[in-house]
Amino acid sequence: KQEVTQIPAALSVPEGENLVLNCSFTDSAIYNLQWFRQDPGKGLTSLLLIQSSQREQTSGRLNASLDKSSGRSTLYIAASQPGDSATYLCAGSYSSASKIIFGSGTRLSIRP
Amino acid sequence: KAGVTQTPRYLIKTRGQQVTLSCSPISGHRSVSWYQQTPGQGLQFLFEYFSETQRNKGNFPGRFSGRQFSNSRSEMNVSTLELGDSALYLCASTEFPQETQYFGPGTRLLVL
Repeated sequence: KQEVTQIPAALSVPEGENLVLNCSFTDSAIYNLQWFRQDPGKGLTSLLLIQSSQREQTSGRLNASLDKSSGRSTLYIAASQPGDSATYLCAGSYSSASKIIFGSGTRLSIRP
Repeated sequence: KAGVTQTPRYLIKTRGQQVTLSCSPISGHRSVSWYQQTPGQGLQFLFEYFSETQRNKGNFPGRFSGRQFSNSRSEMNVSTLELGDSALYLCASTEFPQETQYFGPGTRLLVL
């Protein structure tokens, strides 16, 4: 069964810290992996997408890596800010047909 | 470009009724996927439409159905509503070839 797991479920850190969010997946035949951000009561915002042939992607203070052999992806956030507070979800796609499997998310709180 | 739009944003129904939700993808996107988000089950894939054809389907009962029109707008229908259908319903349109998914704000359905 294809599953995506995110640990921890919640994380609170002081402003300015660098942090890493973790995602693991059971099936290494992943097509791509995407990181999303969700604010309370809102839809999802795509942050980064890593194709299976890639190892990492960067956007501003965000860097996402993908290691298919170990079944892991990480999202690195540099110099965290209170505005980064949100739930972060990773999602793996196992086909080219847009069916993706989501992790349960990590709820991140950045303390001023 | 305008983002993904969903209507209505909020809906209250009673058990046994049916409901239709609408999603308009980003202009030029031909793939629309639907997801259900609940506190207990997280984000679960319902189905995906591409060029008016259902291309993928998740593990939901037949009460959940959808369709896509020639202008790529999609509708999702839930018949014989149950209390457990209360959820945030999200749709996403997919940009190819990158396969980045862009989500709408969601429709929050409450079944009483």
